Amino acid sequence: GAVVSQHPSWVICKSGTSVKIECRSLDFQATTMFWYRQFPKQSLMLMATSNEGSKATYEQGVEKDKFLINHASLTLSTLTVTSAHPEDSSFYICSARQRDVSSYEQYFGPGTRLTVT
Amino acid sequence: GESVGLHLPTLSVQEGDNSIINCAYSNSASDYFIWYKQESGKGPQFIIDIRSNMDKRQGQRVTVLLNKTVKHLSLQIAATQPGDSAVYFCAEGDYKLSFGAGTTVTVRA
Repeated sequence: GAVVSQHPSWVICKSGTSVKIECRSLDFQATTMFWYRQFPKQSLMLMATSNEGSKATYEQGVEKDKFLINHASLTLSTLTVTSAHPEDSSFYICSARQRDVSSYEQYFGPGTRLTVT
Repeated sequence: GESVGLHLPTLSVQEGDNSIINCAYSNSASDYFIWYKQESGKGPQFIIDIRSNMDKRQGQRVTVLLNKTVKHLSLQIAATQPGDSAVYFCAEGDYKLSFGAGTTVTVRA
């Protein structure tokens, strides 16, 4: 149980285009989803917190107009990288917390590798 | 900035030996700590967690130790296997997680 999927697993796009990444909780409802970015050989950096039905909360230094997050349902959150540039190339990972569960545990997706050319 | 950090970026261990990975944190109010394993090209995989009201917790082949006095966390892996080769992260937070820098564990046959 508690499986999180991401789609696509990898994507290559041209500079200036937009890319949408989906994060789904497959067998549970997620009140909160988190989006992380990870550069090669570095740690995970939290980008934003997404709560179902409300606006995402972005970490300091993360451009909300560039990284659009939508959490339209309890099982789906999307991250859209708008006007992507090569410096946005990274590994994007989402995680989800179960609804109505006292556990603090976050379940992570497999990640999406974005390459901007 | 990061509130957690690891002492060593790499650890090489002989197969069958025990591994110890260390982590220091700075926030004395931290309540929840987690160890994750990340294999290349994959998302983090939960290993074990511990709350601040405990100082030790054991899982299958893994033990987490928490020393709140010196704000230190460690992960012990017993009888390390080739499949344990990965990057290990400690993380802190009961809502938003703050990750340490990671230790790359390489298991020698």
